[in-house]
Amino acid sequence: DQQVKQNSPSLSVQEGRISILNCDYTNSMFDYFLWYKKYPAEGPTFLISISSIKDKNEDGRFTVFLNKSAKHLSLHIVPSQPGDSAVYFCAASEGNAGNMLTFGGGTRLMVKP
Amino acid sequence: NAGVMQNPRHLVRRRGQEARLRCSPMKGHSHVYWYRQLPEEGLKFMVYLQKENIIDESGMPKERFSAEFPKEGPSILRIQQVVRGDSAAYFCASSGQGAGYNSPLHFGNGTRLTVT
Repeated sequence: DQQVKQNSPSLSVQEGRISILNCDYTNSMFDYFLWYKKYPAEGPTFLISISSIKDKNEDGRFTVFLNKSAKHLSLHIVPSQPGDSAVYFCAASEGNAGNMLTFGGGTRLMVKP
Repeated sequence: NAGVMQNPRHLVRRRGQEARLRCSPMKGHSHVYWYRQLPEEGLKFMVYLQKENIIDESGMPKERFSAEFPKEGPSILRIQQVVRGDSAAYFCASSGQGAGYNSPLHFGNGTRLTVT
């Protein structure tokens, strides 16, 4: 029972263009959502988060959008850079469950120079 | 930079042996989480601990796996009588508080366990 799904295992984008990574969830109790970036042989690195009271959060080149009615969130990276090439994980948690995150399966982003 | 420290980075065990994975949280963090990542999958929650207490172990297999976070020293994830299916990357994370929207988890670089 996958409560957080990332349906695209991989995405290839040209440098300078926009990267859009998508994530769907099924648990309506989730109220905090995060994106993590992971390079090979390293741990996930926190990128950006959003709480369910917002529909958008922006941090530099990274913007996360939340559509609660559709149970969908997306991460936009503009402009994409070769150093952004990594695996991106979407994660979610319920407020009263501490930080016990439920992760999606990840999307491998490749940004071509 | 006192991030989350995990050791060893790589661990090879034969079937039936014990594996011990260690995690030192970030300075000032008292909440520790263990996650497991099987090949080509996302991270799966295993256990959440505070100092000397297991808060939630709902993601941990009932047999052979145990975790502790003593008053002094690192958190330990112990796997007894390892089997090939235990081969995975085990990640530890810490946070300064157990709940709240402003405390994302900080992960270590993981221990890659290989069972031969």
